[in-house]
Amino acid sequence: GESVGLHLPTLSVQEGDNSIINCAYSNSASDYFIWYKQESGKGPQFIIDIRSNMDKRQGQRVTVLLNKTVKHLSLQIAATQPGDSAVYFCAENVGTGRRALTFGSGTRLQVQP
Amino acid sequence: GAVVSQHPSWVICKSGTSVKIECRSLDFQATTMFWYRQFPKQSLMLMATSNEGSKATYEQGVEKDKFLINHASLTLSTLTVTSAHPEDSSFYICSARGVGEGEAFFGQGTRLTVV
Repeated sequence: GESVGLHLPTLSVQEGDNSIINCAYSNSASDYFIWYKQESGKGPQFIIDIRSNMDKRQGQRVTVLLNKTVKHLSLQIAATQPGDSAVYFCAENVGTGRRALTFGSGTRLQVQP
Repeated sequence: GAVVSQHPSWVICKSGTSVKIECRSLDFQATTMFWYRQFPKQSLMLMATSNEGSKATYEQGVEKDKFLINHASLTLSTLTVTSAHPEDSSFYICSARGVGEGEAFFGQGTRLTVV
């Protein structure tokens, strides 16, 4: 079936550097995307979302980019901090009718002090 | 943001017993809630969609008689793992969305260990 996947399972960065986490999706009908952060033993925490009629959205220290042509989503974290260490998931909503989110496989971000 | 509360946060049970997990939306009405299962170092896999006042919709491969879902009110959905076995040990997470297609809010998860 169609799925959301990630290129890198683990990303290690130095504190203060910028981080980029990528996600490829295969369902062209997806119209809403969310990035979640999950710390060990906890539920997913919302970071930022973007709808398919946009290609970029910025939050505090985070930016999500959407390239519908190649079905690619990325999360950029500026000035990465140790507290950013977690697993990051992209999730997609295929559209009307199905309101459940489909999650990608996840990327572990490790921030080195 | 909206709050989804899940209880208990962890539970250990004996093989063959049943365990009930509660998911509550504390400050909004959730006509639809979702139950996910997450094995170690894996992603969240949707188990079922819980609809208030009607039967749940299960994903392919999820046994509806084993994972009983009840959504009796707009703020509470329960998942009961019946006749639990060690292979049911996992992290169970509930989610709720409000009206429209906005973000989904997640509970803190329940760590189930069957011994």
